[in-house]
Amino acid sequence: AQSVTQLGSHVSVSEGALVLLRCNYSSSVPPYLFWYVQYPNQGLQLLLKYTSAATLVKGINGFEAEFKKSETSFHLTKPSAHMSDAAEYFCAVSENLGGATNKLIFGTGTLLAVQP
Amino acid sequence: EAGVTQFPSHSVIEKGQTVTLRCDPISGHDNLYWYRRVMGKEIKFLLHFVKESKQDESGMPNNRFLAERTGGTYSTLKVQPAELEDSGVYFCASSPSRVSSYGYTFGSGTRLTVV
Repeated sequence: AQSVTQLGSHVSVSEGALVLLRCNYSSSVPPYLFWYVQYPNQGLQLLLKYTSAATLVKGINGFEAEFKKSETSFHLTKPSAHMSDAAEYFCAVSENLGGATNKLIFGTGTLLAVQP
Repeated sequence: EAGVTQFPSHSVIEKGQTVTLRCDPISGHDNLYWYRRVMGKEIKFLLHFVKESKQDESGMPNNRFLAERTGGTYSTLKVQPAELEDSGVYFCASSPSRVSSYGYTFGSGTRLTVV
């Protein structure tokens, strides 16, 4: 069965500091992996996705994530945090099953706070 | 292109009442999904439509929840009668393909509070 673990429900960084949000997954087949972001009073927005191409995936707003199969991880990073990055971030996994409902399995989310 | 639209954005109802949530997917997206986030927990899958047909409703909590998708366009999710544990944020998403590598476009959600 698929599952996602996000370590740290709350992460606080200073503006300009590195952002690292951790995500580990479990999947019996090669997965698709996603990071979504939810800004206050908005919907879920796709940041980036891994679909078995390059293991280093670049997304919007300067974020990137690296798929590491040996560590079953898909951590999200950004070299320099900006105040506008304050939001809740969700990691999700989906199994690559042809013809089926490839539902997303989400982690519990990480709330990122950026301090001035 | 208009995004996924959900309304109402907020709803507060009393236990035992009925509430209907609506989702308008992106035009042309055959695949429509409902997800829910109960306070403090993960976002969980409820069901998946392909056009007007239910492809997978394995995540529906119980028979108090009824989802429909009229003519393969907009979808409604009715909760009748609502219970306290139904409170949470209900998200709708749509996709042009059931292959998840496309990713989904989510709406802003409906925050349901049952008191």
